[in-house]
Amino acid sequence: NAGVMQNPRHLVRRRGQEARLRCSPMKGHSHVYWYRQLPEEGLKFMVYLQKENIIDESGMPKERFSAEFPKEGPSILRIQQVVRGDSAAYFCASSPPLKDYGYTFGSGTRLTVV
Amino acid sequence: EDQVTQSPEALRLQEGESSSLNCSYTVSGLRGLFWYRQDPGKGPEFLFTLYSAGEEKEKERLKATLTKKESFLHITAPKPEDSATYLCAVQPRNTGFQKLVFGTGTRLLVSP
Repeated sequence: NAGVMQNPRHLVRRRGQEARLRCSPMKGHSHVYWYRQLPEEGLKFMVYLQKENIIDESGMPKERFSAEFPKEGPSILRIQQVVRGDSAAYFCASSPPLKDYGYTFGSGTRLTVV
Repeated sequence: EDQVTQSPEALRLQEGESSSLNCSYTVSGLRGLFWYRQDPGKGPEFLFTLYSAGEEKEKERLKATLTKKESFLHITAPKPEDSATYLCAVQPRNTGFQKLVFGTGTRLLVSP
């Protein structure tokens, strides 16, 4: 039973390019969460999705960031026109449809903007 | 605003030297408090969830406790493999889902 799979593990983008981060949840998990971890800072909530629905995106920057979780395939976090300040580790987590279940994190994608 | 503060930022122990990590929180109603372990280059690994003051949970050399204002992670007779960053997070009651607010963690180094 594979865990939460994120790819790529490392991603280097030049300023102004687009970054696409993918997350495949654990089997049987229908809830996906994205968190960002900046250097020397704690994990910050970005967005919560269920299949084909964005439930809460209160932690997403208003511009350049978007997320989706289609009916088929992985969840995608998309960052357009990346800037140096977007350099961070982006973690995806998934959980089954139970409210009080500690969710499972993937190993993250480390984005470096040069 | 919901907030989590962890102390110390870093802790160095000798193998076998027991200690405690602290997690202080302010939250608009606590639904749950979570402890995670994070190794370098990896995602956080779930350890415990605590729901009410007075609750305790144990796993191997780790024991987590909860009061109305803080949580402690007690490490008994640690081994070098316990070296990691330990993260504390709270789930506010007023969110309808598992939106966690994390502290910045305590980096633990256990020397042989």
